[in-house]
Amino acid sequence: DTAVSQTPKYLVTQMGNDKSIKCEQNLGHDTMYWYKQDSKKFLKIMFSYNNKELIINETVPNRFSPKSPDKAHLNLHINSLELGDSAVYFCASSQNSGLGETQYFGPGTRLLVL
Amino acid sequence: AQKITQTQPGMFVQEKEAVTLDCTYDTSDPSYGLFWYKQPSSGEMIFLIYQGSYDQQNATEGRYSLNFQKARKSANLVISASQLGDSAMYFCAMREGRSYIPTFGRGTSLIVHP
Repeated sequence: DTAVSQTPKYLVTQMGNDKSIKCEQNLGHDTMYWYKQDSKKFLKIMFSYNNKELIINETVPNRFSPKSPDKAHLNLHINSLELGDSAVYFCASSQNSGLGETQYFGPGTRLLVL
Repeated sequence: AQKITQTQPGMFVQEKEAVTLDCTYDTSDPSYGLFWYKQPSSGEMIFLIYQGSYDQQNATEGRYSLNFQKARKSANLVISASQLGDSAMYFCAMREGRSYIPTFGRGTSLIVHP
């Protein structure tokens, strides 16, 4: 039983395309996150939603738009993909947005923009 | 200024030996949480251990313990009796009470030799 799942696992696409990554958690958590991990393994938060409400929105180009249809899902849509968007994107969830809440990560989506 | 500093890009340890992975943090917030995550070569992020800023005792989870030195702002991870499966990247992370934004260090690559 996968706790946090992401699809697709791999995504190879051309510059300028629009793509979406889906994330679902079956843990009953209230809070979900998107992270970007670059080629040097640096992990940086992009967005966080708590009960479908955006609570964290870091400095991310507005080509990236998260959508949370319900608290179990947080999708990431990327418009006009650029070479620099190539990275691993991780979805995560936690029980709530409290300070000490453990985040459970999905397996990651490896995006390669050609 | 970096909020989380991991000064060891790579560490080597003999199987069954103990190893300490360094992490220092920077915050003026009295309320914060510190986390360690493991990322094996397969790519998933695995939660290891958590320490709250007001916790009186150092956190322990099985073979993992956190050497929390508040005055020095350090939160080193100690892995006892290293196993080959401990070979992975290890990330220190912090969440501050004011912003709740999780910040990750750049990671330490640990290799366990037989």
